[in-house]
Amino acid sequence: DIQMTQSPSTLSASIGDRVTITCRASQSINSYLAWYQQRPGKAPKLLIYKASNLESGVPSRFSGSGSGTEFTLTVSSLQPDDFATYYCQQYDSYSPGTFGPGTKVDVK
Amino acid sequence: EVQLLETGGGLVQPGGSLRLSCAASGFTFSTNVMSWVRQAPGKGPEWVSGISGRGDSTYFADSVKGRFTISRDNSKNILYLQMNSLRREDTAIYYCAKARGSHLRDFFDHWGQGALVTVSS
Repeated sequence: DIQMTQSPSTLSASIGDRVTITCRASQSINSYLAWYQQRPGKAPKLLIYKASNLESGVPSRFSGSGSGTEFTLTVSSLQPDDFATYYCQQYDSYSPGTFGPGTKVDVK
Repeated sequence: EVQLLETGGGLVQPGGSLRLSCAASGFTFSTNVMSWVRQAPGKGPEWVSGISGRGDSTYFADSVKGRFTISRDNSKNILYLQMNSLRREDTAIYYCAKARGSHLRDFFDHWGQGALVTVSS
């Protein structure tokens, strides 16, 4: 199975900061990567799919990039609602879909 | 508006069984791949099982293969997960999730609120 890692595991930031989270796959997944945001006590919410496609209704301050084995999620200017945990998920066709361990963004 | 509502969670002893249901609305249920994704306390999500729109193709994670069964009733817009021989490590919140496309392995554009399953004696 493809393994996913994320860095950092925790990120402390302030309102207005530019924030970048990295996700790496143990083998190439082309661009079959999604990003989710999860607030405490809530279900994950889709932000980005196919590495760089913004889901409808998601603010444009969120962006994704990468292909192959290395991917990034960037928040251009952190807002109060953005303090949450972020997960990547690979959905390569020939392997079970797996999620990363998560990156928690908290208040500096 | 897409809505997914899970029911059937609860406390069960190791070795016991439980059936989760997910009532879906707001989209054409029979044309969408559906999945169950679980999340143990403090952990990332884990994809557990998926089923095609017609119900003729299914997938199970190795951790639940042979113990869990997924099914759907397209006449009632309900997804099921039958869980047998439950283990303590199956303790998690179980989410019903709608896949964006028609592939069993896909990303999820809508999630239910989750059902807590606790396996403990």
